[in-house]
Amino acid sequence: KAGVTQTPRYLIKTRGQQVTLSCSPISGHRSVSWYQQTPGQGLQFLFEYFSETQRNKGNFPGRFSGRQFSNSRSEMNVSTLELGDSALYLCASSLDQGSYEQYFGPGTRLTVT
Amino acid sequence: GDSVTQMEGPVTLSEEAFLTINCTYTATGYPSLFWYVQYPGEGLQLLLKATKADDKGSNKGFEATYRKETTSFHLEKGSVQVSDSAVYFCALSLRNNNAGNMLTFGGGTRLMVKP
Repeated sequence: KAGVTQTPRYLIKTRGQQVTLSCSPISGHRSVSWYQQTPGQGLQFLFEYFSETQRNKGNFPGRFSGRQFSNSRSEMNVSTLELGDSALYLCASSLDQGSYEQYFGPGTRLTVT
Repeated sequence: GDSVTQMEGPVTLSEEAFLTINCTYTATGYPSLFWYVQYPGEGLQLLLKATKADDKGSNKGFEATYRKETTSFHLEKGSVQVSDSAVYFCALSLRNNNAGNMLTFGGGTRLMVKP
């Protein structure tokens, strides 16, 4: 089975712009979660989607949003980018809600200048 | 809130040395516990897991035992290799549907193994 894929792998944006990141889960997985990884804050949970519905949300401002499509693919969007949004954004998929093994993609490295 | 605390790194060892990375947690419910590993430039890989007290997770020579009495999940390996050099993350996930699949991570411990 193919693993979790994320596109693009690298992205450079300017402060004030917006960005959309994409994640394709493992085939058959219906839950997709997003995490932000920075040297200062470590790994922080952004949100989780299951069956096209946001199930959980972390403590991030409303500039961070996401959605999930009927084929379980997910996108996250960050509007009005700030320098502090520079990070590795990781997507993880799991088989079902309550299924605790999450499989991570390689991440998208976002640099905001 | 729920939290995970790991020993700070870097941990530097010679090849074939014994490894211990300490992990303790605080949780309001009954968590499942995980160790993930991150190699340079890559995402996280699940290394091992334990879902209830006294469970031992193991994989690739790594082991960790879920100790409810000490709220710990320390990672051990008897003989490390240069290829084990990576960052290791301890994490928990609460076992109820209201928490969904949210993982709470420790700060990570960088392991460097010298030949």
